[in-house]
Amino acid sequence: QKEVEQNSGPLSVPEGAIASLNCTYSDRGSQSFFWYRQYSGKSPELIMFIYSNGDKEDGRFTAQLNKASQYVSLLIRDSQPSDSATYLCAFVSNSGYALNFGKGTSLLVTP
Amino acid sequence: NAGVMQNPRHLVRRRGQEARLRCSPMKGHSHVYWYRQLPEEGLKFMVYLQKENIIDESGMPKERFSAEFPKEGPSILRIQQVVRGDSAAYFCASSPRDHTDTQYFGPGTRLTVL
Repeated sequence: QKEVEQNSGPLSVPEGAIASLNCTYSDRGSQSFFWYRQYSGKSPELIMFIYSNGDKEDGRFTAQLNKASQYVSLLIRDSQPSDSATYLCAFVSNSGYALNFGKGTSLLVTP
Repeated sequence: NAGVMQNPRHLVRRRGQEARLRCSPMKGHSHVYWYRQLPEEGLKFMVYLQKENIIDESGMPKERFSAEFPKEGPSILRIQQVVRGDSAAYFCASSPRDHTDTQYFGPGTRLTVL
């Protein structure tokens, strides 16, 4: 069974701080990893994808992947109140076609 | 630069009626996925389609649910004889190449069964 574990939160950080979101997955065959952001009542919006071990940076966002530990994280630098949302971790395994989603971590950035 | 289109955005049905949800992928995308998000639950995969083909329907309930992606026109997710437990947000996503590629989501259809 393909599982994705995320801390549901809420994770509360002050404006301007770094928010760190974590995700573990059970399927060692996973090859593609994604972070989506979902505002309440809206659809998931892609933040980043990462395929290789290590770090990948895009603006204020950094994704980190460690396949040996089956761990992927998202760092948000200089957090803004507009970053307040639920962050969904997802992966695609070698043996399937679906995006397997975690339940998401709720992030609250306080002014 | 149209994204993934879904309609209707909101759909209300009474128990026993049929619900038809439509999805038009992004221009140039030929891979369509349907996901369901129940209240307070995560997104769950239902079905993956390419034009005129169902590639993977492992997440679809065996009864009452069907999906198609015809040669012309949008992809359709059809739910027959709806029950209250079908109330959820149904999201369609599309990707340009295959299932390992990035999937872009539409705005969703929120189905309410009375």
